[in-house]
Amino acid sequence: GAVVSQHPSRVICKSGTSVKIECRSLDFQATTMFWYRQFPKQSLMLMATSNEGSKATYEQGVEKDKFLINHASLTLSTLTVTSAHPEDSSFYICSASDLREKLFFGSGTQLSVL
Amino acid sequence: AQKITQTQPGMFVQEKEAVTLDCTYDTSDQSYGLFWYKQPSSGEMIFLIYQGSYDEQNATEGRYSLNFQKARKSANLVISASQLGDSAMYFCAMRSLYNQGGKLIFGQGTELSVKP
Repeated sequence: GAVVSQHPSRVICKSGTSVKIECRSLDFQATTMFWYRQFPKQSLMLMATSNEGSKATYEQGVEKDKFLINHASLTLSTLTVTSAHPEDSSFYICSASDLREKLFFGSGTQLSVL
Repeated sequence: AQKITQTQPGMFVQEKEAVTLDCTYDTSDQSYGLFWYKQPSSGEMIFLIYQGSYDEQNATEGRYSLNFQKARKSANLVISASQLGDSAMYFCAMRSLYNQGGKLIFGQGTELSVKP
């Protein structure tokens, strides 16, 4: 089956630094990628939708300048958490949609900001 | 606007028994898809079962079946013969099929614990 690779799986960083998370579709072209955020024991909250070659569409309440999303190719989308603070600590997970609109999830990234 | 509601924060079931996880939804779309995912403590999202709004038969996948009642806007997941490995978070989700690239919206989740 289709695989979505998300890297890194875990990252610890100091407050004020930026962190980049990659989401790659390994054996299909991802026309659309989605980024979610999840706090412990809570649901996945959609942050933004990214389409290759165009600007991401952010959900209400998500800071565009804080969470930079780039979808430069049909196989790669990146989420950069800029000037991270402890309140940005969370589980981030991406999903990718192929041309048949099937959805596949990455394995997630646990971000801890000290 | 679309909305998914799971009213059971936590559920317990005895091993080998069946359990039903509730899910109701609200949408103005005529064409939509309903999904159930399992999320173990590792965090990965495991796809379990899918039901399209125009599917006349309830979806089944092994021990998983979806009790789809369109008029009631409910899509409950039934797990038969529960196993210890079924202990996890379970999420119901919905996606519009009208718009290409429609986003997947999740319910609050139900934490299932299977007792030996």
